[in-house]
Amino acid sequence: DADVTQTPRNRITKTGKRIMLECSQTKGHDRMYWYRQDPGLGLRLIYYSFDVKDINKGEISDGYSVSRQAQAKFSLSLESAIPNQTALYFCATSDFPGRDGADTQYFGPGTRLTVL
Amino acid sequence: GIQVEQSPPDLILQEGANSTLRCNFSDSVNNLQWFHQNPWGQLINLFYIPSGTKQNGRLSATTVATERYSLLYISSSQTTDSGVYFCAVERRAGNMLTFGGGTRLMVKP
Repeated sequence: DADVTQTPRNRITKTGKRIMLECSQTKGHDRMYWYRQDPGLGLRLIYYSFDVKDINKGEISDGYSVSRQAQAKFSLSLESAIPNQTALYFCATSDFPGRDGADTQYFGPGTRLTVL
Repeated sequence: GIQVEQSPPDLILQEGANSTLRCNFSDSVNNLQWFHQNPWGQLINLFYIPSGTKQNGRLSATTVATERYSLLYISSSQTTDSGVYFCAVERRAGNMLTFGGGTRLMVKP
């Protein structure tokens, strides 16, 4: 969805490096999420933010940190990258509470990260 | 936490065939979504369907919340339907989505 953008789209880095993945959205949604997808598996939640002052850990937050710089921006950092953090990373937004209380999530195009 | 199981894990169809994908979940939910991940990795939201039935073109979905399952129907499949279909649920709307393992669909011309 072009309303949710992620940079970079691909990144190769080395073990021990600090990496930042950025997400921007023009949907005006308060809620933003970072997910990780490993090959052949579903997505797992890393961190989520319900507004600028609200940050919450997800299922697999160890080794990651986030920053919500503004309603439209949510960044994910790997403090010291390791090879098992090689994965596809997705940012998402949610319009909750949408029509009829719906919580529909909209995903960015993903960032493919390789840690050597 | 809540468990989400999808079946079948893999499916190969001839173009024009119909198919049914299933999602079972272990607890009551207030949110269920179906997503399609295309071969380039893009995730597209297909349906928000915590209960009832919805249709969008050749796709339709039904969730029977009391029996804890949802079905995604694809009719007259096309090669562009190929990819992975994910079901994701939340116990309470506005909480956190838990994804199933996906059904990998390949539609052959």
